[in-house]
Amino acid sequence: QQQVKQSPQSLIVQKGGISIINCAYENTAFDYFPWYQQFPGKGPALLIAIRPDVSEKKEGRFTISFNKSAKQFSLHIMDSQPGDSATYFCAASMEHSSGSARQLTFGSGTQLTVLP
Amino acid sequence: DAGITQSPRHKVTETGTPVTLRCHQTENHRYMYWYRQDPGHGLRLIHYSYGVKDTDKGEVSDGYSVSRSKTEDFLLTLESATSSQTSVYFCATEDSYGYTFGSGTRLTVV
Repeated sequence: QQQVKQSPQSLIVQKGGISIINCAYENTAFDYFPWYQQFPGKGPALLIAIRPDVSEKKEGRFTISFNKSAKQFSLHIMDSQPGDSATYFCAASMEHSSGSARQLTFGSGTQLTVLP
Repeated sequence: DAGITQSPRHKVTETGTPVTLRCHQTENHRYMYWYRQDPGHGLRLIHYSYGVKDTDKGEVSDGYSVSRSKTEDFLLTLESATSSQTSVYFCATEDSYGYTFGSGTRLTVV
C-alpha cells in the first residue's frame, strides 16, 4: 500500500520558471515531511523538510507548502536552473516508541529537467 | 556521502547465489536502514536496525536478511538471488537532522 503519492512522474521546465511537485499522504500520524534530491549515480540528499505545525517553509529558492487538512504537501522551486535537474522524492515519517527507528516512506519520485 | 561507504558499488551475480552487501558508517549513528530503489516505486524499506543485534523488517523484506554485529557495519544478504532483486540498494543512517544515504550498490541478477 503506497502511503505517499507523488506527482508528476516527470516535469520539464524552462530556465527561470517555477517547478512544482505535489505529494499526498494517507496516514495522519505522519509528523515529518522531508524532500530529497537525487543526482544520477548518487544517493538521495536531504533538501528541505517541514513539520505539520507550519504551513510553509522556505530555504533559498526551495519552498515547501503544507496543507494538513488536505493531507498534501508540495515542493516549489523558484527560478529553476539547469543544475536543479535531478530526481526529487517526497517522504513522510512518524514518531515511534523509544528504541524504534523513525522509518521514512517515500513517494515514487519526480524526474525534473530544467531546459537552458 | 560523508561517513557512509557501501560496497561493492556494482555487482553482477547469478540467480540462486547468495549475495552480501555491506554498509559501513563512521558517525556512530544508532539507526541504519537498507532501501531498494526501482523505477516507479521510489525507495522501499527492506530492513532496518536500531542498535547492535537489533533489527526489524521493512516493507519488502522477503528474500533478504540483515545483520549488525558492530555499530558501524550493517550487512544485507540476499539468501538466494532472483531476477526480481535486480535493483539499486541504498544504505542510510539517521541522526537528529534526518537521513544520510550512501552512494548505492547497483546489483544485477542474471
